[in-house]
Amino acid sequence: GAGVSQSPSNKVTEKGKDVELRCDPISGHTALYWYRQSLGQGLEFLIYFQGNSAPDKSGLPSDRFSAERTGGSVSTLTIQRTQQEDSAVYLCASSQLAGGRYEQYFGPGTRLTVT
Amino acid sequence: EDKVVQSPLSLVVHEGDTVTLNCSYEVTNFRSLLWYKQEKKAPTFLFMLTSSGIEKKSGRLSSILDKKELFSILNITATQTGDSAVYLCAVDFYNNNDMRFGAGTRLTVKP
Repeated sequence: GAGVSQSPSNKVTEKGKDVELRCDPISGHTALYWYRQSLGQGLEFLIYFQGNSAPDKSGLPSDRFSAERTGGSVSTLTIQRTQQEDSAVYLCASSQLAGGRYEQYFGPGTRLTVT
Repeated sequence: EDKVVQSPLSLVVHEGDTVTLNCSYEVTNFRSLLWYKQEKKAPTFLFMLTSSGIEKKSGRLSSILDKKELFSILNITATQTGDSAVYLCAVDFYNNNDMRFGAGTRLTVKP
């Protein structure tokens, strides 16, 4: 079956512009995660959605970052007024159970470059 | 501050060699430790470890956790070029949706 998909795969933007990154989780997966991977760094947790519960935004690095998940499925991560330090690969993952986090399935990622 | 440290940062071996990758952690509310293999962008799950001293095996890969000394090792025997990847270690928490990842070990297996 289809895995997690993300779009775009690559995005180059100018400093100060807004960007939207999209994630389509595996159908039926109730949990969705966004991570960021900067050059030479491990994955950094950003935000977590579980069903209709309020999202866990504890990992968002600043108020320029926001995310939403419409209808419990597709999620969009928005970065406003992008900065060069936002350049990274943004990974989305979904899993079937809130407690089954080890079964996270990752998407292919979006490589964001802010010039 | 919670932290996960992997070593070495990079490793170059030849096919057939055995490698051991290390992951140490200092965290509160530890629940489990996970290993991932990352080729290109997306990590793929390898193991989840919650109990000390119980080895998990999958083919040529195996892993074990020591909750007293706060570390885990990932062993790969008879390495192949297809094992070349970044291996990520992550820690999972109780009552927290965060996962804290290490910086990874970049393994290169030469023919």
